[in-house]
Amino acid sequence: EAGVAQSPRYKIIEKRQSVAFWCNPISGHATLYWYQQILGQGPKLLIQFQNNGVVDDSQLPKDRFSAERLKGVDSTLKIQPAKLEDSAVYLCASSLYQGREQYFGPGTRLTVT
Amino acid sequence: GQQLNQSPQSMFIQEGEDVSMNCTSSSIFNTWLWYKQEPGEGPVLLIALYKAGELTSNGRLTAQFGITRKDSFLNISASIPSDVGIYFCAGHLNTNAGKSTFGDGTTLTVKP
Repeated sequence: EAGVAQSPRYKIIEKRQSVAFWCNPISGHATLYWYQQILGQGPKLLIQFQNNGVVDDSQLPKDRFSAERLKGVDSTLKIQPAKLEDSAVYLCASSLYQGREQYFGPGTRLTVT
Repeated sequence: GQQLNQSPQSMFIQEGEDVSMNCTSSSIFNTWLWYKQEPGEGPVLLIALYKAGELTSNGRLTAQFGITRKDSFLNISASIPSDVGIYFCAGHLNTNAGKSTFGDGTTLTVKP
């Protein structure tokens, strides 16, 4: 069974530029999560989808971050415009349904200069 | 919001020693999960716990879901060098939002 796929693995951009990350969850997993992990900290949930609907986006900085999961499968997370403090690893995870174990992708390491 | 306190923050042990780490919360959870993360990778699930009091093993790893539903611990027996990494606990509450909260991790170093 293929795991969670993410791309790109690394991205370096200047502040005020925009960036997009892509995630393809494990086949059949209804729930998809985007996390932000700052160095030295645990993952922080940004947004959670159940199929193509948003379940929780309470910690998503909506003035600059957006995410979609249009067909209930893969998802994109966008930052526009980026700030220095957005430098982090962005992790995507999926689970069969809410409350079950989550499986993570390798993450995208974003550096904003 | 919910916060998890994970301790210790770091551990330096000798190969062969046993390790214990724990997570506590001021709120209850329905699910406790333990993950290991190595550099440049995403967290990998080690153990999932779904019932208060549950004790589950995965090889040399054992984890328990606290009876109060506010804590969990992870033990590693007879540590080996490949146990090196950051161990995260995560609590999940099965509300409509179903949000997961992660601790800030325990960094484990094993000296051969």
